[in-house]
Amino acid sequence: DAKTTQPPSMDCAEGRAANLPCNHSTISGNEYVYWYRQIHSQGPQYIIHGLKNNETNEMASLIITEDRKSSTLILPHATLRDTAVYYCIARRDSGAGSYQLTFGKGTKLSVIP
Amino acid sequence: ETGVTQSPTHLIKTRGQQVTLRCSSQSGHNTVSWYQQALGQGPQFIFQYYREEENGRGNFPPRFSGLQFPNYSSELNVNALELDDSALYLCASSSGAPLYEQYFGPGTRLTVT
Repeated sequence: DAKTTQPPSMDCAEGRAANLPCNHSTISGNEYVYWYRQIHSQGPQYIIHGLKNNETNEMASLIITEDRKSSTLILPHATLRDTAVYYCIARRDSGAGSYQLTFGKGTKLSVIP
Repeated sequence: ETGVTQSPTHLIKTRGQQVTLRCSSQSGHNTVSWYQQALGQGPQFIFQYYREEENGRGNFPPRFSGLQFPNYSSELNVNALELDDSALYLCASSSGAPLYEQYFGPGTRLTVT
């Protein structure tokens, strides 16, 4: 799986949009971009995933650049409950190792009142 | 629909002992993955079970072993415990298709003294 790079920490004011960047410059054509988050002392929670088109669900939006070398997770109206570590993961859609998730250290997002 | 459950919640063992951790997968899921998360790090993939067979393994020694049962619940066994085995052990279940998201349990906190 391609290596991903994220800033170690970010702050966001409550009610504002949180934009979390991720670089994945070596991503291959069959690798999807997944985002998970982990609230303190809990198991990771799936947020969203995409291949090359922008995606949106009830939790967040995922914007992937046209060259697929980077992406941004957007939480449109951050709340205190969104304080967590956010992981960006590149994952193949088939073949050996396609089922595992390779986590980095993620971005610690702090939502400030 | 019940989520992923793990037991026990916390465990303290002595170096050299053996431990068994348990995971019940989410209803309808036939695939279970195990991850180890050391303090301050992202989860690291240990292995995955699909329909009672090991379906991939990360960079962990053979003293880490597992089982999956016909009801798709799973066990992680660790022999000859070392101090570095102290970590949060996470179980995740999924439907078995590569792109399907993994649902994580709350984890078991293992402390080796």
